[in-house]
Amino acid sequence: DAGVTQSPTHLIKTRGQQVTLRCSPKSGHDTVSWYQQALGQGPQFIFQYYEEEERQRGNFPDRFSGHQFPNYSSELNVNALLLGDSALYLCASSLQTLAKNIQYFGAGTRLSVL
Amino acid sequence: AQKVTQAQTEISVVEKEDVTLDCVYETRDTTYYLFWYKQPPSGELVFLIRRNSFDEQNEISGRYSWNFQKSTSSFNFTITASQVVDSAVYFCALSEYSGGYQKVTFGTGTKLQVIP
Repeated sequence: DAGVTQSPTHLIKTRGQQVTLRCSPKSGHDTVSWYQQALGQGPQFIFQYYEEEERQRGNFPDRFSGHQFPNYSSELNVNALLLGDSALYLCASSLQTLAKNIQYFGAGTRLSVL
Repeated sequence: AQKVTQAQTEISVVEKEDVTLDCVYETRDTTYYLFWYKQPPSGELVFLIRRNSFDEQNEISGRYSWNFQKSTSSFNFTITASQVVDSAVYFCALSEYSGGYQKVTFGTGTKLQVIP
């Protein structure tokens, strides 16, 4: 049973570029949440997708957008990259968006913006 | 607004010592869930435990134990007889319903170093 998988593992971009990160949820899960984790900080909630729609959003600008596909996989897109976007981006999956549900995390994508 | 505070940024202990990681949370909801996750250097957050707001029973799992006190809004985590493999960053998280959907807030984490 595959867990949450994210790709790519590492990514290097320059300021102003755009990036797409991908996430495949754990088998049987239908909800995907994205988090940004800066060095030495806790994960910060970006947004959550359920039934192919964004259901919750954290305090992130519109440069951060996402998508969920019919197979529940998801993408995170970041436009006009800034140096401050350098971080570990974590994807978490769960079964339905209930407060009691455990979120299972992938190993993340390490994004470096130069 | 929900908030999770982990005041201990870094803790170092010698192997076999006991260590307690503190977590204090803020919420206006009466129904909520608390979690602890472990993040080893590989980066993946590993789920350790979930506790709902109506269950204040302490829980023990091997060398791990958790103390939930609603009166002080705390959910502390104790590792007994620590081992080098326990070295990691530990996160406490609060999960609530927000607009009908789950919203999870993480603390800033406590980095635990167990010295052999």
